Amino acid sequence: QQPVQSPQAVILREGEDAVINCSSSKALYSVHWYRQKHGEAPVFLMILLKGGEQKGHDKISASFNEKKQQSSLYLTASQLSYSGTYFCGTESSASNTGKLIFGQGTTLQVKP
Amino acid sequence: DARVTQTPRDKVTEMGQEVTMRCQPILGHNTVFWYRQTMMQGLELLAYFRNRAPLDDSGMPKDRFSAEMPDATLATLKIQPSEPRDSAVYFCASGLFGQGPSTDTQYFGPGTRLTVL
Repeated sequence: QQPVQSPQAVILREGEDAVINCSSSKALYSVHWYRQKHGEAPVFLMILLKGGEQKGHDKISASFNEKKQQSSLYLTASQLSYSGTYFCGTESSASNTGKLIFGQGTTLQVKP
Repeated sequence: DARVTQTPRDKVTEMGQEVTMRCQPILGHNTVFWYRQTMMQGLELLAYFRNRAPLDDSGMPKDRFSAEMPDATLATLKIQPSEPRDSAVYFCASGLFGQGPSTDTQYFGPGTRLTVL
């Protein structure tokens, strides 16, 4: 079952904040966040594990609510370089197959 | 800086022709994934391998698609015969999994953009 991301698209001005959500109907073991720029490959941002803590680097952080099977990606004081499509990939099994089911993506556009 | 490599980067072919895409995973990774990305369907998992053995190819149209790993440094995805609806970007990704709880993830190659006329 594909996770559902919201919103589908968001437009920001530089310096504004954004939150992208990823919800699953299945119990999750881990959530992986990627960013893809136009014409390029998805690039790994961070992974959140069941029972783990909120993660972050620079001004991008994420949380994982195990009870709700939901993860949120927080982009603070957005920069032009944050523009792209953000995907969450979910893993339902603790057997560590590495198999991820990706959401449909959230397109973020940061304007000057 | 270890990276997944894919060839060719772009391929234009005519309907009915055979297409072969190649992927070199990151050295030491034991799991290789093939994805197809289109605007309509997003990122779809076609197949994946662990230690060169196929684990799951349920996402792949069996009649025309085939995936193999002849050795640990090469994965191939073949389409025969190709059709216009196969036009998409095909990504290969690799990672190290199956060795207990892990914080590893998948690392994507640059993709092959396939256009079938």
